[in-house]
Amino acid sequence: DAGITQSPRHKVTETGTPVTLRCHQTENHRYMYWYRQDPGHGLRLIHYSYGVKDTDKGEVSDGYSVSRSKTEDFLLTLESATSSQTSVYFCAIRDREYNEQFFGPGTRLTVL
Amino acid sequence: GNSVTQMEGPVTLSEEAFLTINCTYTATGYPSLFWYVQYPGEGLQLLLKATKADDKGSNKGFEATYRKETTSFHLEKGSVQVSDSAVYFCALGAGGGNKLTFGTGTQLKVEL
Repeated sequence: DAGITQSPRHKVTETGTPVTLRCHQTENHRYMYWYRQDPGHGLRLIHYSYGVKDTDKGEVSDGYSVSRSKTEDFLLTLESATSSQTSVYFCAIRDREYNEQFFGPGTRLTVL
Repeated sequence: GNSVTQMEGPVTLSEEAFLTINCTYTATGYPSLFWYVQYPGEGLQLLLKATKADDKGSNKGFEATYRKETTSFHLEKGSVQVSDSAVYFCALGAGGGNKLTFGTGTQLKVEL
């Protein structure tokens, strides 16, 4: 257990509304990541963070923003949700010593 | 850019059969290679990894060898169990932040 929680675990929202997903870790890891999982695509990186206020884009960053004001929290925001953002979102942390990523339980987001 | 190709599923096997799930990759430099497993309704769990050529990762009876000459990291298990039924993802880690690039996943179903 890498001490990662995600909230909410499930959310249904309407097109055009803002949505924020939260990832919380308890082990002070520097690197945190947001991925989305879709059938036929595996997992794709949205954004990642390498420290407080330090973030960078991943493969599918359009329509998403992130913030990291504290080491333990990494927020993913959909400014105006679209149906194409219906997905399962996973947060991950990187254990730098062993160069391994560990994943949270996921958030299932449905945009109607 | 980096990419991972793994065999399409679903793969259906009888209990105690031999398992191979093929994975090949394209990457610049010297990536680390990973296999993750996702049980129904759960997040991803790291199954095994290899960080350099000819390394063999192993865990829970599963094995994979990092083959640089064939750019492959095939997952094998000598005798599968019903409890191994899950989706298996091959991934490579490279670049700044050790971002992961995933294959599309292979669903394994093991029957009695």
